[in-house]
Formats: sequence, C-alpha cells, structure tokens
Amino acid sequence: DAGVTQSPTHLIKTRGQQVTLRCSPKSGHDTVSWYQQALGQGPQFIFQYYEEEERQRGNFPDRFSGHQFPNYSSELNVNALLLGDSALYLCASSRLGLGMIDEQFFGPGTRLTVL
Amino acid sequence: AQKVTQAQTEISVVEKEDVTLDCVYETRDTTYYLFWYKQPPSGELVFLIRRNSFDEQNEISGRYSWNFQKSTSSFNFTITASQVVDSAVYFCALSEASYGGATNKLIFGTGTLLAVQP
Repeated sequence: DAGVTQSPTHLIKTRGQQVTLRCSPKSGHDTVSWYQQALGQGPQFIFQYYEEEERQRGNFPDRFSGHQFPNYSSELNVNALLLGDSALYLCASSRLGLGMIDEQFFGPGTRLTVL
Repeated sequence: AQKVTQAQTEISVVEKEDVTLDCVYETRDTTYYLFWYKQPPSGELVFLIRRNSFDEQNEISGRYSWNFQKSTSSFNFTITASQVVDSAVYFCALSEASYGGATNKLIFGTGTLLAVQP
C-alpha cells in the first residue's frame, strides 16, 4: 500500500519564478492538505482540498494556489517566489466524513530553495 | 486562538534514560484533538498518537506513554529507556473538531529536538 508521495524531492528556484509541487495521496484517501515548514519551525497549514475544491485556507497570500484532480492528487503552485518561501513543503492526506478527526498521513516533502 | 507551545527546544539524553517532552496548548473549543508526530532527519512526519478532548485516559504503547491533563492544558509525551533510534524532532499538534466532516487543519508547536547519545 503506497503512502503519500511527493515530487520533486528538491527544487532550486530564483526570486520571481513560479513553482509547482505535486502530491499523490495514500490509497483510499480523498482529502489533501499542504503545509509549509520553515527551518527550525513547525509546519504551517497552507490549504486543504476535497472534491477538487479548496475547503480551508491558512494565512498565506494569494501567490499560493492549488488544485486537486479527479484522482485526488494535488498540486501546490507558488508564484513570484520570495526568499522567504524557502522551506520544506509537506503534503498530508486523509479521509473525509468519518465523523471524527482522522489522522493525516504525511509525505516526505519537497525541499524548495529560493535564491 | 489556538496555540501549541513546546518550551523545550532541544533535549539530550544518554541511551536508556527516560525523557519527557512537554506540550501545552491553548484553545477555546470544548471539542478538540491532540496529536504527537515524530520527524526523523528524512523529513517525513510520522504519526504517533491522537487523543480527543473527552478522553483523559493516559495511554501507553511500548516504550511510549502520554499524559493528558485538561486542567493544565498539557499533553506530555514520555519515552522510557530511550534508544538512539528515538533521535528526531517531535511535534505536538492541535486540531479543532471535524470541520464540515473534513479533517481539520493541524496547529503545530515548534518542536523538540531529541538527541539520544549511545
């Protein structure tokens, strides 16, 4: 049973560029959440997708956008990259509607470096 | 507002010592969930435990145990007889009750780096 997968593993970009990160959820999961983890900090919630729609959003600017596909996989897009966007980006998947908080399974992350 | 505080930035112990990682949380919700995750150097967050606000029973799983006290808003994690493989960053996290049926966002603390020396 494959867990959550993310690609690429590492990425180096320059300021002002755009980046797309990808996530495939664990089998049987339909909800994908994205987190940003700066060095030495805890992960910060960016947004969550279900049924191809953004359901919740954290305190991140509109430069951060996402998409969910019919097969539940998801993309995170960041436009006009800033140095401060350098971080580990984590994807987490879960199942909707179990009537309780289901655990979120995390992927290995994408390490983004902005120069 | 929700908040999780892990006051211990780094802890260093020698193998076989017991170690307790502290977690204090703030929330105005009466229904909430608490989690502990382990992050080894590889970066992937590994789920350890989930506890809801109505279940204050302590839990033990092998060498791991958790102490949940609503009176002090704490959810501490103890590793008994620590091993080198326990070396990692440990995060405590808080979540509100289910949001429209969806798993709600996790609010993480800043983590505690545990180094277990051989």
